[in-house]
Amino acid sequence: DGGITQSPKYLFRKEGQNVTLSCEQNLNHDAMYWYRQDPGQGLRLIYYSQIVNDFQKGDIAEGYSVSREKKESFPLTVTSAQKNPTAFYLCASRGRATDTQYFGPGTRLTVL
Amino acid sequence: DAKTTQPPSMDCAEGRAANLPCNHSTISGNEYVYWYRQIHSQGPQYIIHGLKNNETNEMASLIITEDRKSSTLILPHATLRDTAVYYCIVRVDGDYKLSFGAGTTVTVRA
Repeated sequence: DGGITQSPKYLFRKEGQNVTLSCEQNLNHDAMYWYRQDPGQGLRLIYYSQIVNDFQKGDIAEGYSVSREKKESFPLTVTSAQKNPTAFYLCASRGRATDTQYFGPGTRLTVL
Repeated sequence: DAKTTQPPSMDCAEGRAANLPCNHSTISGNEYVYWYRQIHSQGPQYIIHGLKNNETNEMASLIITEDRKSSTLILPHATLRDTAVYYCIVRVDGDYKLSFGAGTTVTVRA
């Protein structure tokens, strides 16, 4: 995870509120990813971006939105349309020279 | 992408080698085998990957069978800090999405 930061580590929101999760990387990686993890399960891909100003939906994009205005940053907004937003959210990045994704420490979102 | 099958859990004694199996019987010629692990409440950590040759790095060794239908991750001297969920993933060359299953929960006991 070195070089990828996610903040905050824990986040609490009231139902119906949008919330934005931060992901920053200083690895000069082109591609960035957002995953969601529910208790006892593997990771599921929400959105990914292979280059600045471009991104694609993953397997579970409904209720989420992203932007990629800078190479270093890929924020994820969890909207009120997401029916079950409480989860562990993980950001990852991958450089051009390697096919390996490296992950941040994650943000645990709880919607009350 | 080819799917993988891993045992849900396994125990290992501290200081002994841990051998983690993974079955990927439908793997294609251009699919790599990746291993990650996830310690509780942390982000997944990359361990190793390979295509058809055995690979070794400072963390582990990866043994891929000749027909590439299965592989084994070897942690040579398990420590308590190796307790984690280990994920075996196959990825198509050029497709940068990773599909994580449930993995194997490895518990290293003193």
